[in-house]
Amino acid sequence: DQQVKQNSPSLSVQEGRISILNCDYTNSMFDYFLWYKKYPAEGPTFLISISSIKDKNEDGRFTVFLNKSAKHLSLHIVPSQPGDSAVYFCAASSFSGGYNKLIFGAGTRLAVHP
Amino acid sequence: GAVVSQHPSWVICKSGTSVKIECRSLDFQATTMFWYRQFPKQSLMLMATSNEGSKATYEQGVEKDKFLINHASLTLSTLTVTSAHPEDSSFYICSARFVNEQFFGPGTRLTVL
Repeated sequence: DQQVKQNSPSLSVQEGRISILNCDYTNSMFDYFLWYKKYPAEGPTFLISISSIKDKNEDGRFTVFLNKSAKHLSLHIVPSQPGDSAVYFCAASSFSGGYNKLIFGAGTRLAVHP
Repeated sequence: GAVVSQHPSWVICKSGTSVKIECRSLDFQATTMFWYRQFPKQSLMLMATSNEGSKATYEQGVEKDKFLINHASLTLSTLTVTSAHPEDSSFYICSARFVNEQFFGPGTRLTVL
């Protein structure tokens, strides 16, 4: 049972435009969400997170939106740059798990082309 | 930022042999480390939580006798895949917890022939 789903395995965006990566979850106990970025042959690196008490968190070109009623979050990257090309993972955790246990989605491969 | 290394980065072995993968936190001490497994085009699946000085906590469906975890020190955790079989071929990634964040290693690709 996939508790965290990223239904788009890939996304192609032109440089300078907005990239929107989506993530859905099923477990209502999740209250902390993270986005990780992964380059080939490297481990995931933390990008941005959001707590369930918020519906938006912004960090430079990256903004994460959370819609709790829809159990949906999205990562917006604007403007997109070629260096953003990577696999993006959505992850969720909960207080009951001590925020230790991260449940990951399958990832979305973003390609930003000139 | 905090750095986590893994060794080896890739390994090929024959079926039936055991393989040990090391995970080290290079510039911080980690009382808790995590081991994940990733199949192609799938998500990272948490296998177990490794606590320094105590037994690892395994996720449901993960065989503890097959995937031996030892958290020998505050900077080192090892995962040993015992009697490896082709179905164990996968990408294994560790992470170490520092403050409230997990820092991931680069991963180890295991191929069992």
